[in-house]
Amino acid sequence: DSGVTQTPKHLITATGQRVTLRCSPRSGDLSVYWYQQSLDQGLQFLIQYYNGEERAKGNILERFSAQQFPDLHSELNLSSLELGDSALYFCASSALAGANTGELFFGEGSRLTVL
Amino acid sequence: DQQVKQNSPSLSVQEGRISILNCDYTNSMFDYFLWYKKYPAEGPTFLISISSIKDKNEDGRFTVFLNKSAKHLSLHIVPSQPGDSAVYFCAARDSGGSNYKLTFGKGTLLTVNP
Repeated sequence: DSGVTQTPKHLITATGQRVTLRCSPRSGDLSVYWYQQSLDQGLQFLIQYYNGEERAKGNILERFSAQQFPDLHSELNLSSLELGDSALYFCASSALAGANTGELFFGEGSRLTVL
Repeated sequence: DQQVKQNSPSLSVQEGRISILNCDYTNSMFDYFLWYKKYPAEGPTFLISISSIKDKNEDGRFTVFLNKSAKHLSLHIVPSQPGDSAVYFCAARDSGGSNYKLTFGKGTLLTVNP
């Protein structure tokens, strides 16, 4: 158990809809990262938040947005969903004030299926 | 443009033998390299890392080798066990910044046969 909690574990929805994925980081971790894993693809970095502020942005579509709340949990919002958005979405957290090896702790992922 | 490449989608080895997983990178600014292991229906878990100032790091059955001039790293597992069967991701951290954004390869599925 990494200590990172993601909900829901599975989600099936239709094209054009909007969904919200939720992540609670490990206790004490200030940074939250979102990654997307599509079929036959590696983990694609989407966005990072640190203590409520956006820190880094990757290949995140304009239809996607995220935020980190004062209690440090984060939400990833996916709108106007397309078939190609079907993927595993992982949340990870890290303790920036701790070891500097770059290790991230991942949740179990949210599997999104768009029909 | 893939900055971290794992050219072998899969690898099959016999129990007790050595498993060698390879990874190539293109970004000279990467300062830390990590290997993650992922079982089905679970998130990736950290396995071992190496700083760019080192060429080898060992942890039990797992050893990572880094060849900076070739921009290549490899993970050796000796001896391989059936429980090692998983997808292995190579990842690298860009030294330009205080964030810990990692760039991942596509992964290699390792199957260790009893």
